[in-house]
Amino acid sequence: QVQLLESGPGLVKPSETLSLTCTVSGGSISSYYWNWIRQAPGKGLEWIGFIYYSGSTDCNPSLKSRATLSVDTSKNQFSLRLRSVTAADTAMYYCASMYFWGGSSHMDVWGQGTTVTVSS
Amino acid sequence: QSVLTQPPSVSAAPGQKVTISCSGSSSNIENNYVSWYQQFPGTAPKLLIYDNNKRPSGIPDRFSGSKSGTSATLGITGLQTGDEADYYCGTWDSSLSAVIFGGGTKLTVL
Repeated sequence: QVQLLESGPGLVKPSETLSLTCTVSGGSISSYYWNWIRQAPGKGLEWIGFIYYSGSTDCNPSLKSRATLSVDTSKNQFSLRLRSVTAADTAMYYCASMYFWGGSSHMDVWGQGTTVTVSS
Repeated sequence: QSVLTQPPSVSAAPGQKVTISCSGSSSNIENNYVSWYQQFPGTAPKLLIYDNNKRPSGIPDRFSGSKSGTSATLGITGLQTGDEADYYCGTWDSSLSAVIFGGGTKLTVL
């Protein structure tokens, strides 16, 4: 069974770059689509974007100008960089695997999440 | 404002049935599969239903999903206090080229 674990700084200063990594264990990253989702305190889920092992990506249009996703197949990891953060980027950040084919887009495995606070 | 519309809250008594609606449009629900997620406070979401009405292994058949046109519905029968959680619908939006979620529905089992 695939397991995901997010890692990265819990505190980021405004205007700086948020960097998170998700490590995939129990399976190969060379399948599925690998996603980042966030949830602001007391709010709903917001999809940030996904990356395929080949490197192809897609991002939420509202974040596309600030978000960069990358994958390192040798380490079975994928990463998120979010530039120019503000307090509005304070959230729990989850990584998740997604089956994406023929109109189906369900996320079957989720990491436990990591809290990121944007504050000076 | 979410692209998919869910009621903020629903409630029912133990043992009863409840349904949670998810309303969208032709660019998302009508032409793509819907999934449902269950989230308990302080934990990650869990896949409950995928491809409109399929249950992952380990999900009891008390949980069901359906879709008609631009709307989808999650049904839960034989409600238990342990079902109290937030429930989210999700799908792909072909116009936005994005995964979208509903705003979430808080289920209270009275």
